[in-house]
Amino acid sequence: NFMLTQPHSVSESPGKTVTISCTRSSGSIGSNYVQWYQQRPGSAPTTVISEDNQRASGVPDRFSGSIDSSSNSASLTISGLKTEDEADYYCQSYNSRSPVVFGGGTKLTVL
Amino acid sequence: QVTVRESGPALVKPTQTLTLTCTFSGFSLTTSGMCVSWIRQPPGKALEWLALIDWDDEKYYSTSLKNRLTISKDTSKNQVVLTMTNMDSDDTATYYCARTRNRHLDYWGQGTLVTVSS
Repeated sequence: NFMLTQPHSVSESPGKTVTISCTRSSGSIGSNYVQWYQQRPGSAPTTVISEDNQRASGVPDRFSGSIDSSSNSASLTISGLKTEDEADYYCQSYNSRSPVVFGGGTKLTVL
Repeated sequence: QVTVRESGPALVKPTQTLTLTCTFSGFSLTTSGMCVSWIRQPPGKALEWLALIDWDDEKYYSTSLKNRLTISKDTSKNQVVLTMTNMDSDDTATYYCARTRNRHLDYWGQGTLVTVSS
């Protein structure tokens, strides 16, 4: 089956923009939707982006999602970083054999 | 309003079988397209998908754990049950269930921590 690879960690300063990548190992990134989840310490994950680029209800427009067929990857971009954005972020996709595949997660530090 | 809640033992002994129950409200598992997933997260580690059951009673399992997992549903009680056999210390984790639609896990429970220890 396929894997989703994310950077282990990223860090950026408040007010800046950060992008977290999620690379699919096999199969086209565009063939199945990608979701992004935010998980704060001690809490369950919540959706920030679904269906590649749809912000979940209540998620500020500082968060955006995209896919890039040339690199076979999806990206989560957060602009105007705030300290409250500090969390772990997971991408997730699927195919006909595996209904749920998670990336390894990225720890975002806003310093 | 959709709610999802996990329940089960906080402590199991090695080699025992773990039984977890996901109780939900605000949706029905008889509705076309509706599914429930189980996911776990060892302390300080990443999310790991375990199993999914859909409205048509189709079941899917993690390749690495499929020999140890069984998922089932009771639509009259709005519950999904996951059993995992032969528990080991590596299975210590927070276990989550989540409503899943179109392969999007859109509502998660708060999770339940299961510790495997003698």
